Amino acid sequence: EDKVVQSPLSLVVHEGDTVTLNCSYEVTNFRSLLWYKQEKKAPTFLFMLTSSGIEKKSGRLSSILDKKELFSILNITATQTGDSAVYLCAVGGGSNYKLTFGKGTLLTVNP
Amino acid sequence: EAQVTQNPRYLITVTGKKLTVTCSQNMNHEYMSWYRQDPGLGLRQIYYSMNVEVTDKGDVPEGYKVSRKEKRNFPLILESPSPNQTSLYFCASRPGAGEQYFGPGTRLTVT
Repeated sequence: EDKVVQSPLSLVVHEGDTVTLNCSYEVTNFRSLLWYKQEKKAPTFLFMLTSSGIEKKSGRLSSILDKKELFSILNITATQTGDSAVYLCAVGGGSNYKLTFGKGTLLTVNP
Repeated sequence: EAQVTQNPRYLITVTGKKLTVTCSQNMNHEYMSWYRQDPGLGLRQIYYSMNVEVTDKGDVPEGYKVSRKEKRNFPLILESPSPNQTSLYFCASRPGAGEQYFGPGTRLTVT
């Protein structure tokens, strides 16, 4: 059975801190790993990673994938209160390219 | 505007009264899915469809039905809703192996 585990489950930081969110996976026939941000609504897409070692970056957010060790990290630098959200990791695999989601990391950024 | 739409957004119903949640996408995506999201359990796939007339069970299909008669539409049917189907439901679509887009969500309460 495919499995995606995110850690920590929740995290509280102060504005300006840097955070690292983790996602490890066990998926048959890995195809890609996706990160989403979910506030009080639908998840919104952040990154899709398919190759090891290539960092994807968007503003203060960046992510990298390690296909040998089966994990990814999402970094957020200089956090802001608007970064408070649940961050979801999803891994696509198998013959039908099913996306399996982790339970998410709840990030709270305090002023 | 590229989007996934769902209706209704909120629904309160009674046990046993059949209901349908509609989902439509305007991006010509082949792949569509339904998820439910529950506290502590994350996003779980109910059913998915890889193309017109091709549907298959996800992780939690019991009590649900779907159909895919047209590429853009993927309704979720609850023939006899029960209180354990109270949840937040998301429809999603993607172009094969690409980024997945989510609808705005339907909050269903079954009393």
